[in-house]
Amino acid sequence: NAGVTQTPKFQVLKTGQSMTLQCAQDMNHEYMSWYRQDPGMGLRLIHYSVGAGITDQGEVPNGYNVSRSTTEDFPLRLLSAAPSQTSVYFCASSYGRTTEAFFGQGTRLTVV
Amino acid sequence: ELKVEQNPLFLSMQEGKNYTIYCNYSTTSDRLYWYRQDPGKSLESLFVLLSNGAVKQEGRLMASLDTKARLSTLHITAAVHDLSATYFCAVDILPPNNDMRFGAGTRLTVKP
Repeated sequence: NAGVTQTPKFQVLKTGQSMTLQCAQDMNHEYMSWYRQDPGMGLRLIHYSVGAGITDQGEVPNGYNVSRSTTEDFPLRLLSAAPSQTSVYFCASSYGRTTEAFFGQGTRLTVV
Repeated sequence: ELKVEQNPLFLSMQEGKNYTIYCNYSTTSDRLYWYRQDPGKSLESLFVLLSNGAVKQEGRLMASLDTKARLSTLHITAAVHDLSATYFCAVDILPPNNDMRFGAGTRLTVKP
């Protein structure tokens, strides 16, 4: 059972480039979310989804887009990368909003 | 402004000692989560607390929730080195805001 799989693990982008962070889960979880983790600030919610076709914004959504076409996948898109988006990104999934969440291994993104 | 405050942020303790980590939050919520993160690793769910007075225990860790005081505690009993990690609390912000706010984390070091 793979759980939550994120790719890539590391990425360096130039300012203005775009990219997609992939997140896939094989637990048939309805609830998926993306967070960024910056030093000393804990995690901050970027976007979340309560099921296929349904997404909503979290605390820090600007500069990021998401879509949820299937239950399994929840990609995060950076349309025009900025240095302020340098961070570690975590994807998480859970059966429901109030159940135990499972996190991916993270993507360390550097924007230069 | 919604705030989730953990204290202490850094905790160094000796093996065998007891200590408590506090998580205060500034909004109405009866859903609180505790996570553990080892250096350079992902987050692991520890406890899900969903009602006032909820208490959960796993090994040397016990978590409780007082929604009236907007306070959750994570109590460590007879600490061992393996408990060294960063511990985060997270508060589920109910509609209409629909957010998940994390504390900044408590970095725990248990020394022999």
